[in-house]
Amino acid sequence: EVQLVESGGELVQSGGSLRLSCAASGFSVESSSMNWVRQGPGKGLQWVSVIYSSERTYYADSVKGRFTVSRDDSKNTVYLQMTSLRAEDTAVYYCAKQISFYTYAMDVWGHGTTVTVSS
Amino acid sequence: SYELTQPPSLSVPPGQTARITCSGDVLRKQYGSWYQQKSGQVPVLIIYKGTERPPGIPERFSGSNSGTTVTLTVNGVQPEDEADYYCQTADSSGTRRLFGGGTTLTVL
Repeated sequence: EVQLVESGGELVQSGGSLRLSCAASGFSVESSSMNWVRQGPGKGLQWVSVIYSSERTYYADSVKGRFTVSRDDSKNTVYLQMTSLRAEDTAVYYCAKQISFYTYAMDVWGHGTTVTVSS
Repeated sequence: SYELTQPPSLSVPPGQTARITCSGDVLRKQYGSWYQQKSGQVPVLIIYKGTERPPGIPERFSGSNSGTTVTLTVNGVQPEDEADYYCQTADSSGTRRLFGGGTTLTVL
């Protein structure tokens, strides 16, 4: 079964750091394009970052320079390192698998992990 | 521009047709996708590449596109279709992903 399980979300103070994990099963993250998407309380979906199979990465302007996406192929896991956290980063963070390199839709989503940044 | 605009809400009686639009210049170059998110649940992909339906998605959900607008149509709306719906695409270079603001569909 294709599945994504996020972990690592917690309450952190403004300015702090956190690393989220997204463990995949049923497919290889090494050969997939993997996204992070977040959803603030009562708000819509906001794309955060993507890591391609080539390990090339891209970020939303709101997190560029503060967040870093990476992966460990041996663990079939994708990570999101978050630094200089702000109150507006408070959200449920989902990782999501893209259908293919050129098909940007995301067909598999994790259940999400909650990050709360206290000011 | 790299923004996607959706109406905030739509109310439709059961059995009728709901049409949710998503507009943005980038849709002239990139396919749109649609997600359904029921209250407290994870988003589910219901339409991709403008018109394709993933396995398991009911046929009453369909997608279309015209110029800078993509449309999600729900034929014969059911009470269980009450949810937030988001359109999504990528920027023209394919590096960043974009989501619309979401449309809350209420089945009256």
